[in-house]
Amino acid sequence: DTAVSQTPKYLVTQMGNDKSIKCEQNLGHDTMYWYKQDSKKFLKIMFSYNNKELIINETVPNRFSPKSPDKAHLNLHINSLELGDSAVYFCASSHTSQSYEQFFGPGTRLTVL
Amino acid sequence: GQQLNQSPQSMFIQEGEDVSMNCTSSSIFNTWLWYKQDPGEGPVLLIALYKAGELTSNGRLTAQFGITRKDSFLNISASIPSDVGIYFCAGQSYGSARQLTFGSGTQLTVLP
Repeated sequence: DTAVSQTPKYLVTQMGNDKSIKCEQNLGHDTMYWYKQDSKKFLKIMFSYNNKELIINETVPNRFSPKSPDKAHLNLHINSLELGDSAVYFCASSHTSQSYEQFFGPGTRLTVL
Repeated sequence: GQQLNQSPQSMFIQEGEDVSMNCTSSSIFNTWLWYKQDPGEGPVLLIALYKAGELTSNGRLTAQFGITRKDSFLNISASIPSDVGIYFCAGQSYGSARQLTFGSGTQLTVLP
């Protein structure tokens, strides 16, 4: 009964392709996030959704498009993948948008060749 | 934007030793969090601090929220092999969104 789950765990693809990463949380949380962790382990927030509504949208190329079909799911779609997109992408959730404590998924390692 | 400086970047210690790491910020934070990331996993929350001066323990872990609101430290006492991992501080400053800024991480290696 994983709290925050992501699929796939690993994703290897060619430059220029379009790919999606899925995230689901079974904690009943209202808010979900996407983070990018680069090769130096630096974690940076990309997006945040609260009850399916976008509330944080950092400076991220518009090739990245999050989609939240319901408050338990937040998927990340990436168009025209570039080499620099290679990283580990983490989904996280929190009880509400006012909660500081965030619970992270296991990560998706994306490698763009 | 906000910056969090975390140090040291890496540590190699003997099992049983105590460990200390800290984070400093260029701006005031009203919440400090400490996370641990095991290889191949996502970060897991260890300790949350909500008040300046607050000292909180979680087993062998102790963390403090600095009086100036611009720093925090994490201590691990009597380290054991399973303490290996990357430790991240994270802070949130006053604002409308509960957006966390993460430090660059401290890679801890515990030698038997």
